[in-house]
Amino acid sequence: EVQLVESGGGLVQPGGSLRLSCSASGFTFSSYAMHWVRQAPGKGLEYVSAISSNGGSTYYADSVKGRFTISRDNSKNTLYLQMSSLRAEDTAVYYCVKTRRVGAVHDAFDIWGQGTMVTVSS
Amino acid sequence: EIVLTQSPGTLSLSPGERATLSCRASQSVSSSYLAWYQQKPGQAPRLLIYGASSRATGIPDRFSGSGSGTDFTLTISRLEPEDFAVYYCQQYGSSPTFGQGTKVEIK
Repeated sequence: EVQLVESGGGLVQPGGSLRLSCSASGFTFSSYAMHWVRQAPGKGLEYVSAISSNGGSTYYADSVKGRFTISRDNSKNTLYLQMSSLRAEDTAVYYCVKTRRVGAVHDAFDIWGQGTMVTVSS
Repeated sequence: EIVLTQSPGTLSLSPGERATLSCRASQSVSSSYLAWYQQKPGQAPRLLIYGASSRATGIPDRFSGSGSGTDFTLTISRLEPEDFAVYYCQQYGSSPTFGQGTKVEIK
């Protein structure tokens, strides 16, 4: 079964840091670009970041550029999101998502994790 | 950044009725890189449609997508009880964005 499982969420103070992880199974992780999408409580979906299959290319939404870093370890089938200088507006459920086609960064998201909640508050 | 505007915000319908959801882009969406997702409360979104009109694996044929350029439509031919949910469109070009969502609720 294709599966994505996020972890690492929690409560953090404004200005703090947190690292999210996403463990992938059931598919050849190293062949697919991966992304992070977030959803603030009661709000819609917001695109956050992308990384190519080999990790050589990354993309960030303007709202997180310079504060978040996406990375992956293909030997461990794991995707990461290092978040720093966190703000109240970063409070959201963070979803790890897989692209539909091998190698394609610009593609629809066919598999979503269950999400991990990040709360930024003092 | 391409802004996607979905309408209506809420659609109140009865089971068995037809649902028509609209997604309008602020500029042309390249190569029909347009997807639709369904999200139920407490769940992650699920891919329904990609490439504007192709159904994802396992999606019933009552769901269909159409459109190109700046105007796209998701149609649910006959609403089943499990179809009441929030629907999002997404363009997955160079700077992906999502629409704000349309809630399909039971009338």
